[in-house]
Amino acid sequence: DAGVTQSPTHLIKTRGQQVTLRCSPKSGHDTVSWYQQALGQGPQFIFQYYEEEERQRGNFPDRFSGHQFPNYSSELNVNALLLGDSALYLCASSSRFGRASYEQYFGPGTRLTVT
Amino acid sequence: AQSVTQLDSQVPVFEEAPVELRCNYSSSVSVYLFWYVQYPNQGLQLLLKYLSGSTLVKGINGFEAEFNKSQTSFHLRKPSVHISDTAEYFCAANRDDKIIFGKGTRLHILP
Repeated sequence: DAGVTQSPTHLIKTRGQQVTLRCSPKSGHDTVSWYQQALGQGPQFIFQYYEEEERQRGNFPDRFSGHQFPNYSSELNVNALLLGDSALYLCASSSRFGRASYEQYFGPGTRLTVT
Repeated sequence: AQSVTQLDSQVPVFEEAPVELRCNYSSSVSVYLFWYVQYPNQGLQLLLKYLSGSTLVKGINGFEAEFNKSQTSFHLRKPSVHISDTAEYFCAANRDDKIIFGKGTRLHILP
């Protein structure tokens, strides 16, 4: 049973560019959440998707957007990149039903460096 | 007030000694509590979780944690640490289906 997968592993972009990160949830999960982890910090919630719609959003600007596909996989898009967007981006998946909704499984992350 | 507070940013401990990593949570979060471990340059791995039931929770790699409602704490313990336990440890809570993390505690194992 494959866990949460993310691609790419590492990415280097220039200020002002746009980036797309991808996530496939754990088998049986229908909800995907995205987190940003700056160096030396705990992860911060960006947003959550299920049924192909954004359901919750953290304190991140509109430059951060996402999408969920019918197979539950998800993309995170960041426009007009800033140096401060350099971070590890983590995807987490969960199920919306029962006790399983309380627990999220994390992928290995995508390390984004903005120069 | 921060929802999840990890009281120590770094904890040095000698190999084979016991360790306790402290975590307190606020009433603004649910009592669905977690400890995650992050090894260098890797993602997050779930160590253990408290959803309900017994207040003593056992996890992987010999770790355990005790949920204490009166003290709003969820401290992580291991009776004997190994060099391979060197990592960052995050206490977390579920709030409205979002995971809220503490700032992390770096466990540094001394030879």
